[in-house]
Amino acid sequence: SAVISQKPSRDICQRGTSLTIQCQVDSQVTMMFWYRQQPGQSLTLIATANQGSEATYESGFVIDKFPISRPNLTFSTLTVSNMSPEDSSIYLCSVEDRRGGGKTQYFGPGTRLLVL
Amino acid sequence: QKEVEQNSGPLSVPEGAIASLNCTYSDRGSQSFFWYRQYSGKSPELIMFIYSNGDKEDGRFTAQLNKASQYVSLLIRDSQPSDSATYLCAVSKGSSNTGKLIFGQGTTLQVKP
Repeated sequence: SAVISQKPSRDICQRGTSLTIQCQVDSQVTMMFWYRQQPGQSLTLIATANQGSEATYESGFVIDKFPISRPNLTFSTLTVSNMSPEDSSIYLCSVEDRRGGGKTQYFGPGTRLLVL
Repeated sequence: QKEVEQNSGPLSVPEGAIASLNCTYSDRGSQSFFWYRQYSGKSPELIMFIYSNGDKEDGRFTAQLNKASQYVSLLIRDSQPSDSATYLCAVSKGSSNTGKLIFGQGTTLQVKP
């Protein structure tokens, strides 16, 4: 499977500030996604990061709050803007692997965010 | 009704036993089904995927899919303490080729030595 890295691995931020999370893959992938996992909860899809065009956001998530960039097929960023304590979560990027005839999805190590 | 439902557990089994994890989903158009294992403080790790009705075996793991009943399960044979984790069921969103996944709440498995 693809090797995925995320930066930063964790951060503590003050409310009202913004944090940009980077996701790097060791091979070109078509589909990249951003998920959120709130404390004690499961994963919720934020958006699909589209290369060369605007991200596709899921219900409840908006571009002003979670702007996403995808400049090429190996890299994406997610910004959490104007943060509040409710944004404290683990943010995960994932990529779809279509090798072997199937479509499987693998996750990066995650970014643990605490907003004070 | 949640789109993907799992019993949160914890499910406790003795070492060497078979652990059975269950998941139901609401979207009849879903085509792909996945089981992820998540250790505390770690990101989800893909352990099984299944697309067709029936059973799929990989080592100690067997995934079972019944699309008519909208049911997918994971069997873990010869359970080990290292299998203790949260198991997340994920289902593709609809029949379109978007790659989007919907996750269940996860079932916590405890394997006792």
